Amino acid sequence: EPEVTQTPSHQVTQMGQEVILRCVPISNHLYFYWYRQILGQKVEFLVSFYNNEISEKSEIFDDQFSVERPDGSNFTLKIRSTKLEDSAMYFCASINTDGTYNSPLHFGNGTRLTVT
Amino acid sequence: AQKITQTQPGMFVQEKEAVTLDCTYDTSDPSYGLFWYKQPSSGEMIFLIYQGSYDQQNATEGRYSLNFQKARKSANLVISASQLGDSAMYFCAMRGSLGGSARQLTFGSGTQLTVLP
Repeated sequence: EPEVTQTPSHQVTQMGQEVILRCVPISNHLYFYWYRQILGQKVEFLVSFYNNEISEKSEIFDDQFSVERPDGSNFTLKIRSTKLEDSAMYFCASINTDGTYNSPLHFGNGTRLTVT
Repeated sequence: AQKITQTQPGMFVQEKEAVTLDCTYDTSDPSYGLFWYKQPSSGEMIFLIYQGSYDQQNATEGRYSLNFQKARKSANLVISASQLGDSAMYFCAMRGSLGGSARQLTFGSGTQLTVLP
């Protein structure tokens, strides 16, 4: 069964550094998402992406965050200047072509980001 | 706006017994989907089961079933014949019909289930 893949599985970075989290969504999916989960807390929506542009973003997704689909297969989340509070598990997700409300999001295994 | 409430931060169940994980929701969307995901200690998010707001019957997937009570705005997950491998965090989530096709999935705070041998 096709799956969403995320790399790396764990990233350690120093405060103030830029990080890029990478995702390869399921190949025929057109809607992409990033979520984050701070340890022990709920899963929070960051951003949704469709047709090469952001569809929706949360208040968490401020100017230090950006997303890109550089080559038609990868979907990346960039954090420009990491802060300690950015430490979390970041999940990429995609959804099938119809994108209707009854379609489940397919999640990757996550990237655990640790900012020191 | 959508809101998902899971009032049980932790639950214990004896192996082979059934367990119900509670979920209530609030939305102004006329149509919506309700989902349950499992997150084992390894961290991945595994889709378990889906219930549509207009579905007449409760959803079932193997040992998982959803007790959907629309008037009460509840969508409780029932796991039958619990196994040790069911120990995990369980999230209830919702997608509404308004706001475009890229609408987000809203999660509850989760219930940590521990299956006892």
